[in-house]
Amino acid sequence: NAGVTQTPKFQVLKTGQSMTLQCAQDMNHNSMYWYRQDPGMGLRLIYYSASEGTTDKGEVPNGYNVSRLNKREFSLRLESAAPSQTSVYFCASSLQGDEQYFGPGTRLTVT
Amino acid sequence: GQSLEQPSEVTAVEGAIVQINCTYQTSGFYGLSWYQQHDGGAPTFLSYNGLDGLEETGRFSSFLSRSDSYGYLLLQELQMKDSASYFCAVRSSSGSARQLTFGSGTQLTVLP
Repeated sequence: NAGVTQTPKFQVLKTGQSMTLQCAQDMNHNSMYWYRQDPGMGLRLIYYSASEGTTDKGEVPNGYNVSRLNKREFSLRLESAAPSQTSVYFCASSLQGDEQYFGPGTRLTVT
Repeated sequence: GQSLEQPSEVTAVEGAIVQINCTYQTSGFYGLSWYQQHDGGAPTFLSYNGLDGLEETGRFSSFLSRSDSYGYLLLQELQMKDSASYFCAVRSSSGSARQLTFGSGTQLTVLP
């Protein structure tokens, strides 16, 4: 079992560029989540998907879109990157929601 | 909305016991979770309290008092590898899924 995998691990973008962060889990979890973590702060929920075919906004959804491609995969898209989106992005999944399993993170810098 | 407060830093020596407190304000509270995160790493789940009382898992214990909107994580027999950030997170009913709202984290430094 690989658990939760994320690609890429690192990315540098110029302002205005777009990119998609990929996330996959092999634990047959129903729910998947995207968080961002800024220095010295906790994780803030961007979007989540309670089950295949559904997505909902979290605390900080502006500037992002998501796709729950199937039960395994949940992608996060930045349509027009801004320096304020420089952060570490974590994908997570859970069966019941209380115990979430996190991927290794994507470190994104927008210049 | 939800808000959580926890100390930003705690320092202790190897072998000691340390308690990290967390107070929260939320509507539709379901439970309190704790996560550990080493520098550069991903958060990992430590414990969950849905009911009042103490949950023990090896050297780590977690406590919840729903009436006081308060919980804590207790780490015993501290080891150097316990140096990490610890986050409390509340699970609430606002939203269609089981969302977690995280505190800002407590940086624990264990000294030799």
